[in-house]
Amino acid sequence: EAGVVQSPRYKIIEKKQPVAFWCNPISGHNTLYWYRQNLGQGPELLIRYENEEAVDDSQLPKDRFSAERLKGVDSTLKIQPAELGDSAVYLCASSLDLPGPHRGGANVLTFGAGSRLTVL
Amino acid sequence: AQKVTQAQTEISVVEKEDVTLDCVYETRDTTYYLFWYKQPPSGELVFLIRRNSFDEQNEISGRYSWNFQKSTSSFNFTITASQVVDSAVYFCALSEGGDSNYQLIWGAGTKLIIKP
Repeated sequence: EAGVVQSPRYKIIEKKQPVAFWCNPISGHNTLYWYRQNLGQGPELLIRYENEEAVDDSQLPKDRFSAERLKGVDSTLKIQPAELGDSAVYLCASSLDLPGPHRGGANVLTFGAGSRLTVL
Repeated sequence: AQKVTQAQTEISVVEKEDVTLDCVYETRDTTYYLFWYKQPPSGELVFLIRRNSFDEQNEISGRYSWNFQKSTSSFNFTITASQVVDSAVYFCALSEGGDSNYQLIWGAGTKLIIKP
């Protein structure tokens, strides 16, 4: 079974240019996450989808970042315009929601290989 | 407040040595989950283990073992007879088990270098 697929793996752009990242999650996983990981740090959640609905986008810088998950399957994360500080690895992950009172907290995430963005 | 501390930024050992990666967490909840993920140079975070707060049994999986101690709020990870392929960044993470709580708090990671 294919894992979480992300593209592109690497992207180098000039500041103020737009960039988009694509993610195809594990088949059947209803929850999709976009994380940003800066060098030497743990991942930071940008947005979480349950099916096609963005249920947590509190950490997404909405002035320049946008995301969509049409039809509740694959997802696109866009930055426009990019800034120098956006250089990071953008990770996509998916999980199958577990039923019960601890829904969410117990989820095991499957990650893609990430998209490394360099803004010059 | 939730917090995960991995005090060891980088550890370097020679192959076949045992190595322990420390993880200390803070939470006010009685129900929570702890995770370890591995991030090899390829970049993909790989799930290693999940432990819930009600299960303090230590776990062993091959050369990997985990020591969960609620008394010291620690969830340490030991690799026995380390191998070069174990070289990676290892992350400890915490989530609280409340209904529909998806917030996952990550440590800063420990970079493990295994020298041949």
